[in-house]
Amino acid sequence: DIQLTQSPSFLSASVGDRVTITCRASQGISSYLAWYQQKPGKAPKLLIFGASNLQSGVPSRFSGSGSGTEFSLTISSLQPEDLTTYYCQQLSSFPYTFGGGTKVEIK
Amino acid sequence: EAQLVESGGGLVQPGGSLRLSCAASGFTFSHYCMNWVRQAPGKGLEWISYISNTITITHYADSVKGRFTISRDNAKNSLYLQMNSLRAEDTAVYFCARRICYSDICFFDTWGQGTLVTVSS
Repeated sequence: DIQLTQSPSFLSASVGDRVTITCRASQGISSYLAWYQQKPGKAPKLLIFGASNLQSGVPSRFSGSGSGTEFSLTISSLQPEDLTTYYCQQLSSFPYTFGGGTKVEIK
Repeated sequence: EAQLVESGGGLVQPGGSLRLSCAASGFTFSHYCMNWVRQAPGKGLEWISYISNTITITHYADSVKGRFTISRDNAKNSLYLQMNSLRAEDTAVYFCARRICYSDICFFDTWGQGTLVTVSS
């Protein structure tokens, strides 16, 4: 099975900061990686697919990059509504797996 | 607008069974592969099962293999998860999610609101 390791698990930042979350795969997954945002009590929301493609309707301050085993999600200017939890997911092979999550909190 | 609504969650004793349903609307259900994802209280997301649009292919996480069965009824626009031999560690919110693929780039674009399953005596 492919393991995904997200870092950091917790991130403290200020509004306006540039924030980067990393996701490392245990083996190469090409660009078969998605990023989701999840707010408390809600379903996950797709942000990025194919490692770098912005889902329709998602603000352009979100971007994704990487391929193979190293990926990142960047928020160029953190907004108050971005303070929540983010997950990466690999869809290269079954079982599909998620990273452990990164909680973004206010500094 | 595509929508998924789960139902069937509740309190069940260890060793018991439960059947979850996911009602789809706003899209042609039979065209899409579907998944179940769960989230234990205060924990991260765990993918647990997949079914192809034609029902011919299913996949399961090791944690539920042999105990859970995914199925669908395309005529009823519904996805199901039959859960048997339930354990305390199966306590979670269960989400159904639609998978979309562009060429071979796939992702989960539509999620239900989730239904809570609690396994406890």
